[in-house]
Amino acid sequence: DTGVSQNPRHKITKRGQNVTFRCDPISEHNRLYWYRQTLGQGPEFLTYFQNEAQLEKSRLLSDRFSAERPKGSFSTLEIQRTEQGDSAMYLCASSSRAGGSSYNEQFFGPGTRLTVL
Amino acid sequence: RKEVEQDPGPFNVPEGATVAFNCTYSNSASQSFFWYRQDCRKEPKLLMSVYSSGNEDGRFTAQLNRASQYISLLIRDSKLSDSATYLCVVNLDTGRRALTFGSGTRLQVQP
Repeated sequence: DTGVSQNPRHKITKRGQNVTFRCDPISEHNRLYWYRQTLGQGPEFLTYFQNEAQLEKSRLLSDRFSAERPKGSFSTLEIQRTEQGDSAMYLCASSSRAGGSSYNEQFFGPGTRLTVL
Repeated sequence: RKEVEQDPGPFNVPEGATVAFNCTYSNSASQSFFWYRQDCRKEPKLLMSVYSSGNEDGRFTAQLNRASQYISLLIRDSKLSDSATYLCVVNLDTGRRALTFGSGTRLQVQP
C-alpha cells in the first residue's frame, strides 16, 4: 500500500497522559500536514511541514502539542497532558508537486482516533 | 462567520435524482477550490478541483462564482454509492498553505 499510513488507528488514554501519533506520508511527497476533525465538523488545520521544516502552525496548536518531521519523511504529533477536549480524529495528509500535481491535492491517511477519558 | 460555510443537510434523495450543493467562502482572495468526499468514519478523499470556467467529471459538475463567492457541486443520476459527506475546501491564500474545510453536506441516496 503506497498511501498515507497512520499509527495507531485508535488510542484511548486518561486525562493528563501524553500520547504520540505517527504518520508516514506517500514516499515522494515533501509536504506533510496534520489536521484534527471532530464529529460533524470538517478537518481543521494544525500544522504542516515542507521536508523537515515546520512552516506553519495553527492557533489550535497549543503549547501542549508538538510535531516533528526529523528527516523529512515520517512525522510525529505529540500531545502532552491530554484533556478531554483533545478527543478527536487526528488526520495526516501529504502532497507534492511531482508529476504535475498540485500541493493542494492532499492525500489523507486513515487517521488516529483519540479518546481521552 | 465561518471561513467556509455549507448546509449540513442531510439531503435525502432517491436513486437517479439530481442534487446540488452550494458552499460560500469568506475571503475574496481565495485561489483554489475543491470538493472532497468523506465516507462515514473514513478519511477525506479528493473528488474534484473546481476551476473558474467550471468543470465536469462524469456525473459530477463543479462551478465557481467568484463574484458571489460560492462554489457548487451538481450530482446527476445519483447512485446509492454517492451517499457520503461532501466537503467544500478552499485555499484561502492568506499566506497559508493549508486547506480550509467546510463542515460538510451529508447526502443520503435512497433506493
